[in-house]
Amino acid sequence: SAVISQKPSRDICQRGTSLTIQCQVDSQVTMMFWYRQQPGQSLTLIATANQGSEATYESGFVIDKFPISRPNLTFSTLTVSNMSPEDSSIYLCSVDRGALDTQYFGPGTRLTVL
Amino acid sequence: DQQVKQNSPSLSVQEGRISILNCDYTNSMFDYFLWYKKYPAEGPTFLISISSIKDKNEDGRFTVFLNKSAKHLSLHIVPSQPGDSAVYFCAASVGVRALYQETSGSRLTFGEGTQLTVNP
Repeated sequence: SAVISQKPSRDICQRGTSLTIQCQVDSQVTMMFWYRQQPGQSLTLIATANQGSEATYESGFVIDKFPISRPNLTFSTLTVSNMSPEDSSIYLCSVDRGALDTQYFGPGTRLTVL
Repeated sequence: DQQVKQNSPSLSVQEGRISILNCDYTNSMFDYFLWYKKYPAEGPTFLISISSIKDKNEDGRFTVFLNKSAKHLSLHIVPSQPGDSAVYFCAASVGVRALYQETSGSRLTFGEGTQLTVNP
């Protein structure tokens, strides 16, 4: 498995501001992913973050709204830009250790936008 | 378009009995399936997985069954314990090995989750 930490664990933000969420892994991994879980809904993949290249975004998500950095093989950030109440969600990062497609998740960041 | 569906939002069972959680999918390209457990304020925890070349995979109290013709999988927990109370998500992915080598990664599609409550 992998030990994954996220900062902050939760935050309350004002409309129009931006928040950067950090994801740290205890070992080097090739693939890191960012998911969103809106209240009462399933987990939805936002983007895949590869070290040394631009993130790959899923349909409905764009780089201007959710810029991602992946400076090395153990760290990634997701920024939620120009926030609105609809961005209130749990944001989760996950990593793929390449073992039979099993992904391991961080504890999540609970974001509330007022 | 919900490609992975868990039609039961909740399930309640008695301690010691069997819990059966169900999941249906529509995308016939899915070839790898996983179950995750999620406690409040924590990230999902991987439980068990199954490849489309199998119809059953067992790990301790957890068994996953896959019926490809029906596009249905289920998770059996026996015996159920109060500590199993959590939200259970099924997830699926497409062409894992090929995608991984092409650096697309293993993009998981999740169901809506089922809240399992095991009563003492």
